[in-house]
Amino acid sequence: EPEVTQTPSHQVTQMGQEVILRCVPISNHLYFYWYRQILGQKVEFLVSFYNNEISEKSEIFDDQFSVERPDGSNFTLKIRSTKLEDSAMYFCASLGWDSNYGYTFGSGTRLTVV
Amino acid sequence: AQTVTQSQPEMSVQEAETVTLSCTYDTSESNYYLFWYKQPPSRQMILVIRQEAYKQQNATENRFSVNFQKAAKSFSLKISDSQLGDTAMYFCAFMNPGTSYDKVIFGPGTSLSVIP
Repeated sequence: EPEVTQTPSHQVTQMGQEVILRCVPISNHLYFYWYRQILGQKVEFLVSFYNNEISEKSEIFDDQFSVERPDGSNFTLKIRSTKLEDSAMYFCASLGWDSNYGYTFGSGTRLTVV
Repeated sequence: AQTVTQSQPEMSVQEAETVTLSCTYDTSESNYYLFWYKQPPSRQMILVIRQEAYKQQNATENRFSVNFQKAAKSFSLKISDSQLGDTAMYFCAFMNPGTSYDKVIFGPGTSLSVIP
């Protein structure tokens, strides 16, 4: 069964450093998403991406965040200057309008900012 | 705005018994999808079951079934013959296709412990 792949599974970074979280969505999917889950809290929508541009973003997705699909397969989330409160699990998801209504999440990247 | 509520932060069940997790949601839309996701300690997000709002028949997936009450905006998950591997966080989720670019709205989750 097709999977959404995220790398790395765990990243530790110093406060103020830039991080890039990577995702490979399912190949025939057209909509891509990032969600965040702070430990012990619920999963929150960050951003959706369609047709090579942001289609919607939440209040959380401020100027320190950016997304891009640089090569037609990878989908990245960049955090420019990490803060302690950015420590969370970040999930990538992709959506395709197939018969299985394939809204598929990746296995997540655990980001720890120290 | 759509909201999803799970009123049971924690639940426990004896192995082999049946447990029901509650979920309510609020929307003015008539066409939407509802999901239950399982998050084990590995923190991966695993789709358990999906229900399309236009379908009256409740979805089932092996030991997992839902009780979908559209008028009451209720979507509960029943786990039969509970197994130790069912221990996880369970999230109820809502999506209105074709609006808001299909983002999923999650409830706060219910932590389920299966006791041997």
